[in-house]
Amino acid sequence: NAGVMQNPRHLVRRRGQEARLRCSPMKGHSHVYWYRQLPEEGLKFMVYLQKENIIDESGMPKERFSAEFPKEGPSILRIQQVVRGDSAAYFCASSPPTRPYEQYFGPGTRLTVT
Amino acid sequence: GDSVTQMEGPVTLSEEAFLTINCTYTATGYPSLFWYVQYPGEGLQLLLKATKADDKGSNKGFEATYRKETTSFHLEKGSVQVSDSAVYFCALRNSGNTPLVFGKGTRLSVIA
Repeated sequence: NAGVMQNPRHLVRRRGQEARLRCSPMKGHSHVYWYRQLPEEGLKFMVYLQKENIIDESGMPKERFSAEFPKEGPSILRIQQVVRGDSAAYFCASSPPTRPYEQYFGPGTRLTVT
Repeated sequence: GDSVTQMEGPVTLSEEAFLTINCTYTATGYPSLFWYVQYPGEGLQLLLKATKADDKGSNKGFEATYRKETTSFHLEKGSVQVSDSAVYFCALRNSGNTPLVFGKGTRLSVIA
């Protein structure tokens, strides 16, 4: 049973470009969470999605950031017009529908904005 | 809002030393408490959890007891190994489908 997969593992973007981060949850998991880890900081919650629904986006910046989890395919975290402050590790976690507290984390995508 | 505070690192120990990483929390209600471990270049892995007061979570020789009276969930291990070198995160989840709230992490280095 493959774990949570994220790609790319490393992403370099110039200021103003778009970044797309992908997350494939574990088989059978229908809940996806995105977290951001800034240097020397803990993980901060960004958004919680179920298939085709955003359940909680209270941690998402109001502008430039969006997330989706379509019926088919991976969850996508999209950052438009990236700035240097977006440089961070972005982690995705998934959980089974009946046990949302059992979050399994992917290896993360390290975004560097130059 | 809910928050988690854990001791600042880095913590450097010799192999077979005793480990304590302190964690305290602030939360309304009755949260579940977790310790996650992050090995270099990897994502977080759940190490142990406790869901109610006085519960003890344990795994791989690590233990932590949910102390409601002191709002603490300190991580302990009697004899650390070099392979325990990692960053350890304390976290809480208040209820239902609420997201995890993490501490800043404590980096542990174990030297032979």
